[in-house]
Amino acid sequence: DGGITQSPKYLFRKEGQNVTLSCEQNLNHDAMYWYRQDPGQGLRLIYYSQIVNDFQKGDIAEGYSVSREKKESFPLTVTSAQKNPTAFYLCASTDRSGANVLTFGAGSRLTVL
Amino acid sequence: AQSVTQPDIHITVSEGASLELRCNYSYGATPYLFWYVQSPGQGLQLLLKYFSGDTLVQGIKGFEAEFKRSQSSFNLRKPSVHWSDAAEYFCAVGANTDKLIFGTGTRLQVFP
Repeated sequence: DGGITQSPKYLFRKEGQNVTLSCEQNLNHDAMYWYRQDPGQGLRLIYYSQIVNDFQKGDIAEGYSVSREKKESFPLTVTSAQKNPTAFYLCASTDRSGANVLTFGAGSRLTVL
Repeated sequence: AQSVTQPDIHITVSEGASLELRCNYSYGATPYLFWYVQSPGQGLQLLLKYFSGDTLVQGIKGFEAEFKRSQSSFNLRKPSVHWSDAAEYFCAVGANTDKLIFGTGTRLQVFP
């Protein structure tokens, strides 16, 4: 079945360490997105990519980095510069056909110890 | 400023009761409107969407929503709630996927 796979599901990190969250999709979607979810704050856009080798900052990009070397993959690195990285991270994609419907992965929960 | 408001943080209903979750938005023009549902520790699943046309839209799992332009609202309804509907519900609006604005969510609890 087509979908989005995020890994790991749970991740623990010490302060000062970078960590990379994986997002892979087999939906042949062009656009991919990373959201951060905190309790009571809904979803906030970190980065998005409309096409391979191109990406744009979202509303809260500081302390994060991404790459888009393949259409299927859009990894997110949470750097040590991110002051409050503990959160639930969601990856999504869309085919940009005009439907504007996002398909989401199951999420990765990052906890900084 | 563009925004989405879900005024109810937490709603509790009895199984079999009707449900209405509120969503109000502020946007320059009529945006695309969405309702998503999220089970604990999971991603979001699309319930329904409104782009244009009939202002009453039907979605999955027996949900429906009505777009009211004059009230800038897109409330979600279900005539009879099931225990499996317990989850968090998010309203989202935007002119395109790159600029979607999500509400803060409403957590639904269902009592037997």
